Amino acid sequence: DTGVSQNPRHKITKRGQNVTFRCDPISEHNRLYWYRQTLGQGPEFLTYFQNEAQLEKSRLLSDRFSAERPKGSFSTLEIQRTEQGDSAMYLCASSKERSRNEQFFGPGTRLTVL
Amino acid sequence: AQKITQTQPGMFVQEKEAVTLDCTYDTSDPSYGLFWYKQPSSGEMIFLIYQGSYDQQNATEGRYSLNFQKARKSANLVISASQLGDSAMYFCAMREGRQGGKLIFGQGTELSVKP
Repeated sequence: DTGVSQNPRHKITKRGQNVTFRCDPISEHNRLYWYRQTLGQGPEFLTYFQNEAQLEKSRLLSDRFSAERPKGSFSTLEIQRTEQGDSAMYLCASSKERSRNEQFFGPGTRLTVL
Repeated sequence: AQKITQTQPGMFVQEKEAVTLDCTYDTSDPSYGLFWYKQPSSGEMIFLIYQGSYDQQNATEGRYSLNFQKARKSANLVISASQLGDSAMYFCAMREGRQGGKLIFGQGTELSVKP
């Protein structure tokens, strides 16, 4: 069990550019979640998948954001036309489908938009 | 409305002493789960302990215990015998419903353990 991995760990981009992050969940976990965390705040939910189906999206997920999990394994989160307000830590988590639903988090991708 | 409230932005505790981190929650769903996570300066969220709304006993995991008071809607984390490595941000979170879905996090409490 290698845990949840995220790439890249850090991304610096210029405003207006597109960025894509990748998350690899724990192998037997069929649920995958994306959260965003800004400095001094708790993580905020963005979206989650059960297998390849995207089951819920937050209102925070504007139309510039898109997430996919095409084969029910890894997931990508793309931000188009980045804005300075997108600067944050993007956290991915995964869990098994069961009542307790404890989520295991990856190390996060820190995005800085200049 | 704030669903998870952590009223202590920062806490100090002496090494080897116990400390309680407060968390109150708000939900109308009779089925929910409560979680505590630790986030060291490295940034990774580490799961500590879980309490289900129907659990009769307070959850315990090693030095961590959850003081669950359902009528007061509180789920305080108790850390016994604090260690220097316990210095971190601590987040309380809630999942509504029996299964699946998002966690709603509080603002966090920064715990500093003094030698």
